Amino acid sequence: GAVVSQHPSRVICKSGTSVKIECRSLDFQATTMFWYRQFPKKSLMLMATSNEGSKATYEQGVEKDKFLINHASLTLSTLTVTSAHPEDSSFYICSARELLAGVSYEQYFGPGTRLTVT
Amino acid sequence: AQTVTQSQPEMSVQEAETVTLSCTYDTSESDYYLFWYKQPPSRQMILVIRQEAYKQQNATENRFSVNFQKAAKSFSLKISDSQLGDAAMYFCAYGPFSSNTGKLIFGQGTTLQVKP
Repeated sequence: GAVVSQHPSRVICKSGTSVKIECRSLDFQATTMFWYRQFPKKSLMLMATSNEGSKATYEQGVEKDKFLINHASLTLSTLTVTSAHPEDSSFYICSARELLAGVSYEQYFGPGTRLTVT
Repeated sequence: AQTVTQSQPEMSVQEAETVTLSCTYDTSESDYYLFWYKQPPSRQMILVIRQEAYKQQNATENRFSVNFQKAAKSFSLKISDSQLGDAAMYFCAYGPFSSNTGKLIFGQGTTLQVKP
């Protein structure tokens, strides 16, 4: 099956610094990648949709200047949390969509990244 | 706008028994996909089962099966012969049949406990 990796799996950073999370599709080309945030025992909250070669589309309430998303290739999307604060501490999950015959029906999820801001 | 509702925050089942997790959704579309995802303590999202709305036959994957009632907009997951490894959070999700975004809409999740 299709594999999506995320790096790092865990990161601790100091308040005010920036941290970058990478999401890679290892064995398929992902025209679209999605970034989610998940709080403990809660559902996945979609933050943004990342399309290769174009600007990301952010969900309402998500600060685009704080959560910078770059989808530079068909296999890589990055999420940069800028000027991180303790309230940004969370579990971040990416997923990638493989476009099949113009119809997409499945997303493949990365293992997630736990961000702790001290 | 589409919505997905899981009304059972927590469920428990005895090992080897059967449990059913509920999910309802709302949409005005006629073609779409429905999914059940499992999120174990590792937090890796795992696709359990997928149902295409245009198919009348309920999807099955080994011990996992769904009861898809399109008119009622209901999509429940039945786990037979429950195993300790089935303990996880389960999410029901709605996906567009054909869309430029392909966004999934998730329910709130149901935490399943399996008792030995």
